[in-house]
Amino acid sequence: GAVVSQHPSRVICKSGTSVKIECRSLDFQATTMFWYRQFPKQSLMLMATSNEGSKATYEQGVEKDKFLINHASLTLSTLTVTSAHPEDSSFYICSAIGSYDEQFFGPGTRLTVL
Amino acid sequence: AQSVTQLGSHVSVSEGALVLLRCNYSSSVPPYLFWYVQYPNQGLQLLLKYTSAATLVKGINGFEAEFKKSETSFHLTKPSAHMSDAAEYFCAVSEVTGNQFYFGTGTSLTVIP
Repeated sequence: GAVVSQHPSRVICKSGTSVKIECRSLDFQATTMFWYRQFPKQSLMLMATSNEGSKATYEQGVEKDKFLINHASLTLSTLTVTSAHPEDSSFYICSAIGSYDEQFFGPGTRLTVL
Repeated sequence: AQSVTQLGSHVSVSEGALVLLRCNYSSSVPPYLFWYVQYPNQGLQLLLKYTSAATLVKGINGFEAEFKKSETSFHLTKPSAHMSDAAEYFCAVSEVTGNQFYFGTGTSLTVIP
């Protein structure tokens, strides 16, 4: 089946720094990717829809200047958390739309902001 | 508008017993429905999906779910629980394949030996 990877799997950073998370579709091209956020013991909340070659569409309440999304190629989308703060600590999961419109999820990235 | 409700944030069953995880949805159009499993600190693994074909859907690891339009439900079942089934389970709905998902709040399944 189709594989989606995320890098890094875990990251710890200091408050005020920026962190970039990569989401790659390894064996298929994905015009559309989604970024989700999951707090401990909670469900996944959609943050934004990332479309290759165009600006991302953000969900209500998600700061686009804080969570920068770039989908520069059909196999890579990046999420940059700018000026991270402890409240940004979370599990970030991406997904990519493959053939037959099936959605494949990455393994997630655990961000801890100190 | 779409939404998913999972009744019971925690479910405990004995090993070998029936597993029943409940999911109800609301959707203005015929939905696509999914069940995912998540193990600690991992991503989501698709268990099964309903995309307007057979109403009884069989998935991996012995799980199955039945789409009941009259009840707007898509409950997940497994006849006999195994210790390895202990995980978090999410129900999700989508209006169109390839579109964003709306997830339920999840059900944590504990299997008692």
